[in-house]
Amino acid sequence: AQKVTQAQTEISVVEKEDVTLDCVYETRDTTYYLFWYKQPPSGELVFLIRRNSFDEQNEISGRYSWNFQKSTSSFNFTITASQVVDSAVYFCALRDSNYQLIWGAGTKLIIKP
Amino acid sequence: DGGITQSPKYLFRKEGQNVTLSCEQNLNHDAMYWYRQDPGQGLRLIYYSQIVNDFQKGDIAEGYSVSREKKESFPLTVTSAQKNPTAFYLCASSFQSGGGASNEQFFGPGTLLTVL
Repeated sequence: AQKVTQAQTEISVVEKEDVTLDCVYETRDTTYYLFWYKQPPSGELVFLIRRNSFDEQNEISGRYSWNFQKSTSSFNFTITASQVVDSAVYFCALRDSNYQLIWGAGTKLIIKP
Repeated sequence: DGGITQSPKYLFRKEGQNVTLSCEQNLNHDAMYWYRQDPGQGLRLIYYSQIVNDFQKGDIAEGYSVSREKKESFPLTVTSAQKNPTAFYLCASSFQSGGGASNEQFFGPGTLLTVL
């Protein structure tokens, strides 16, 4: 069965600390896509990154970085030098063979000034 | 500017009334989706549509109905049969699935429906 687990319900850190959000997935497909979305307090989901199953290269975008490891079925997200504006709920998702997104429950990230 | 519009942001209805939530996109996307989000929860798929005049049930379709008469529009009706309709509803769209496309979904601002 397809499944995405975000075990961290809520994380709270002080500004400028680094923080990693975990995402573990389950799938029998050999071709799949993984996504991260950000949901700020306004409610709209913002697309952050897409990664396909054949590309295990880590990606860095400014203060954001993603670590994809097929061996552990994980796609973790790290924010370096966190800022208050990073406070949001972050969702990890898996695109299954039916082309639908399987969503994790989300991790609420609180960055304290 | 291209994007997805959902209106209104906040909607109140009395119990037993049907209510229709609007979703419009001008991104020329083929596929559109409706999700429900409850407090502290992830997203659950209600309905989706890959092309005009066709739509499929998602995981929690009971008590909801949709139509897709135009490519740009995918309204969702919350019927009186939905036992617990108070929730945050998100509409999304993407290019058509398949062909190896990753079809990331783009989201509207959402509508918070409160049934009194």
